[in-house]
Amino acid sequence: KQEVTQIPAALSVPEGENLVLNCSFTDSAIYNLQWFRQDPGKGLTSLLLIQSSQREQTSGRLNASLDKSSGRSTLYIAASQPGDSATYLCAVITQGGSEKLVFGKGTKLTVNP
Amino acid sequence: DTEVTQTPKHLVMGMTNKKSLKCEQHMGHRAMYWYKQKAKKPPELMFVYSYEKLSINESVPSRFSPECPNSSLLNLHLHALQPEDSALYLCASSQFPPGGPANYGYTFGSGTRLTVV
Repeated sequence: KQEVTQIPAALSVPEGENLVLNCSFTDSAIYNLQWFRQDPGKGLTSLLLIQSSQREQTSGRLNASLDKSSGRSTLYIAASQPGDSATYLCAVITQGGSEKLVFGKGTKLTVNP
Repeated sequence: DTEVTQTPKHLVMGMTNKKSLKCEQHMGHRAMYWYKQKAKKPPELMFVYSYEKLSINESVPSRFSPECPNSSLLNLHLHALQPEDSALYLCASSQFPPGGPANYGYTFGSGTRLTVV
């Protein structure tokens, strides 16, 4: 059974700092990995999607990497801003079985002005 | 149009009421999903519709009844809910169903905040 772990559970940083959020998964046979952002009480906003054949994806100040063999992904946020404060969720789709989207519990990020 | 639209945004209902949640997408996605999310928890899958047919029911109580009238619409009918069913209900869609051709990721709606009193 696929399990997704996100570390840390919460992170507080000053504005302008570069930061890394971590995601690990137990079954490396994945189709893809997707990072989402969720503001309190709101829906999920897709940030980056990495296919299993890819190593990284970039969008603006965000860069996500994938090391499928070791079961790890990182989300790098450059020059953090207070508007980046949210919960960041990592999710994978595993090959075989029901191939459902499996989420980590998220990292709650607070960027202080 | 790259959005999943959910209505209503907020819903308060009594335990004897019948209500429906609605979800709509016009991206031509062939799979649609209902998720339930409790506070400070990740979303939990409830139902999957693939090509307008129910393909996955995650042992959800019968007081939740999904419906897919066409490829763009997904409903969740609610009846005789309990206070513990209060949660954020999220709809999502993807270009292809799980297990199909390469999945290009999921698009989520903004959710319906449901309170059962």
